[in-house]
Amino acid sequence: DIQMTQSPSSLSASVGDRVTITCRASQTTSGYLNWYQQKPGKAPKLLIYAASSLQSGVPSRFSGSGSGTDFTLTISSLQPEDFATYYCQQSYSTPYTFGQGTKLEIK
Amino acid sequence: QVQLQESGPGLVKPSETLSLTCTLSGGSISSYYWSWIRQPPGKGLEWIAHIYYSGSTNYNPSLKSRVSMSVDTSKNQFSLKLSSVTAADTAVYYCARTPAYYDTTGYNYYFDSWGQGTLVSVSS
Repeated sequence: DIQMTQSPSSLSASVGDRVTITCRASQTTSGYLNWYQQKPGKAPKLLIYAASSLQSGVPSRFSGSGSGTDFTLTISSLQPEDFATYYCQQSYSTPYTFGQGTKLEIK
Repeated sequence: QVQLQESGPGLVKPSETLSLTCTLSGGSISSYYWSWIRQPPGKGLEWIAHIYYSGSTNYNPSLKSRVSMSVDTSKNQFSLKLSSVTAADTAVYYCARTPAYYDTTGYNYYFDSWGQGTLVSVSS
């Protein structure tokens, strides 16, 4: 299985901050890397697919980059509704695997 | 807009079979893959399996001996069965639409529409 490791596991930030979350795979995933946002008690929501493609309806302050084994999710200017847990997910090979999550909290 | 709804028992006894159904509304089950994903309380996400509308399946090897999926295109539904459950199978179970994004090197599968999730507890 491809292991996905996110860093940091938790992060405190303020509204307006620029935030970057990193996801590292144990082997190449090519560009088959997706990002999700999950709020408490809710299903995850797709933000970015194929490493850098913004899902329809997702604000442009979210962006993704990377290839191979190293990927990043960037939020350019944090909004109050962005405080949530973020997960990366690879689909290069089955079983599709997720990172352990990054909890973004209000400072 | 596509909506997915999980249904099934919220409590299953150890050693029995967990059975869930996902019903799709606002779209067709054809031309997509469909997945089950679970999340133990307070923990991360685990992909369980996916099925193509034609019926071809792909299972997580860690669960493969206990899991099966099926699809009923006439009802716009797909289902999950997980046998011989233990307390470790207690989780919120989500169903999700799974598009395949093709580039020059292959397919990227992602989960773009999710059900609200259903908590299944395994306990006697």
